[in-house]
Amino acid sequence: GQQVMQIPQYQHVQEGEDFTTYCNSSTTLSNIQWYKQRPGGHPVFLIQLVKSGEVKKQKRLTFQFGEAKKNSSLHITATQTTDVGTYFCAFSNQAGTALIFGKGTTLSVSS
Amino acid sequence: DGGITQSPKYLFRKEGQNVTLSCEQNLNHDAMYWYRQDPGQGLRLIYYSQIVNDFQKGDIAEGYSVSREKKESFPLTVTSAQKNPTAFYLCASSIRGIAGGYNEQFFGPGTRLTVL
Repeated sequence: GQQVMQIPQYQHVQEGEDFTTYCNSSTTLSNIQWYKQRPGGHPVFLIQLVKSGEVKKQKRLTFQFGEAKKNSSLHITATQTTDVGTYFCAFSNQAGTALIFGKGTTLSVSS
Repeated sequence: DGGITQSPKYLFRKEGQNVTLSCEQNLNHDAMYWYRQDPGQGLRLIYYSQIVNDFQKGDIAEGYSVSREKKESFPLTVTSAQKNPTAFYLCASSIRGIAGGYNEQFFGPGTRLTVL
């Protein structure tokens, strides 16, 4: 079935360093959503990208959707300890009735 | 407050027992979902419901059952047929279901089930 590969699985950075996670698909995606799950918490929606080549920013977070709509990335500039958590990408199934999630990238930040 | 509630937060059961996890939402959302989360596995879809009295199997439905008798409620039963039931279970909802497009999902706090 449809799936996405998220890399890396884990990333540790020093506070102030940048961080990027990638979401790659072998098929064209209709959309991509990103969620953040804090340790012990539940996933929280961050953003949705729909258009080819789309770039959206939320403060220190930059989200991109590839031109071919087969990959996406989330980049965090100057990480802070509050950025700790697992970041998931997700996309709609062909029927548009459910989301399929990647396995996530877990970010740890040391001060 | 609007939101999704799941109870209890922690649940312990003996092997061979069925157990039902509750999920209630007051967001007036049409669609509801159940996910299972295991370490390093991301979120895997168990069942979803686009509208009252209708639901579909997700990727890992075996050993689980659901009902959707009310818009607000989508309980999940973990049956004794589920071989590895110990996991973190997350319920979610979104505004629209069929043909609803790409709506964000709102998650409940989750129930951590441990089968002894």
